[in-house]
Amino acid sequence: GQSLEQPSEVTAVEGAIVQINCTYQTSGFYGLSWYQQHDGGAPTFLSYNALDGLEETGRFSSFLSRSDSYGYLLLQELQMKDSASYFCAVHGSGNTGKLIFGQGTTLQVKP
Amino acid sequence: DAGITQSPRYKITETGRQVTLMCHQTWSHSYMFWYRQDLGHGLRLIYYSAAADITDKGEVPDGYVVSRSKTENFPLTLESATRSQTSVYFCASSATPNTYGYTFGSGTRLTVV
Repeated sequence: GQSLEQPSEVTAVEGAIVQINCTYQTSGFYGLSWYQQHDGGAPTFLSYNALDGLEETGRFSSFLSRSDSYGYLLLQELQMKDSASYFCAVHGSGNTGKLIFGQGTTLQVKP
Repeated sequence: DAGITQSPRYKITETGRQVTLMCHQTWSHSYMFWYRQDLGHGLRLIYYSAAADITDKGEVPDGYVVSRSKTENFPLTLESATRSQTSVYFCASSATPNTYGYTFGSGTRLTVV
């Protein structure tokens, strides 16, 4: 089976940097993705890591360590609009394309 | 319009009734998925499909049925709705999930009374 752990809530101030961690257990692993979801909205894809290291996309970066079964999402220069829920998700066994999601981290950005 | 659309957006039904949630995508993506989202549980996979006529169970398939006779459609049926199936349901599609991720529909908010 697969399981993921991420903090339930994180609070930061505008302009700051915040890191959301994700640890996972899975049988068979193809990669780790991150999604953002605003209240009442659809999740939107942010990033995907298949190999160890850092992937950067604008203000957002995502890191993966396969040996540690660990990843994180780094958000820089926080803006109020970054207040949302962030989900990590593993691409698991069989390369079926299916994702198993963590329970999500609610990020609150304060002025 | 291009994209992935779900219907209806909101649905109230009674316990024991059959309900079908529709999902349609215009990109001819091979992969399609159904998730439910409840407070405290995040997104849980119900069923997925790698291509037309190929479907498989996810984490929480009990009480649900899917079909995929055409690539663009992936309806989800609750055979006999229960209150525990009150949830927000998201459909998603992808051409290459391991690279570009999923695109989600706007969701259907289902209430079973």
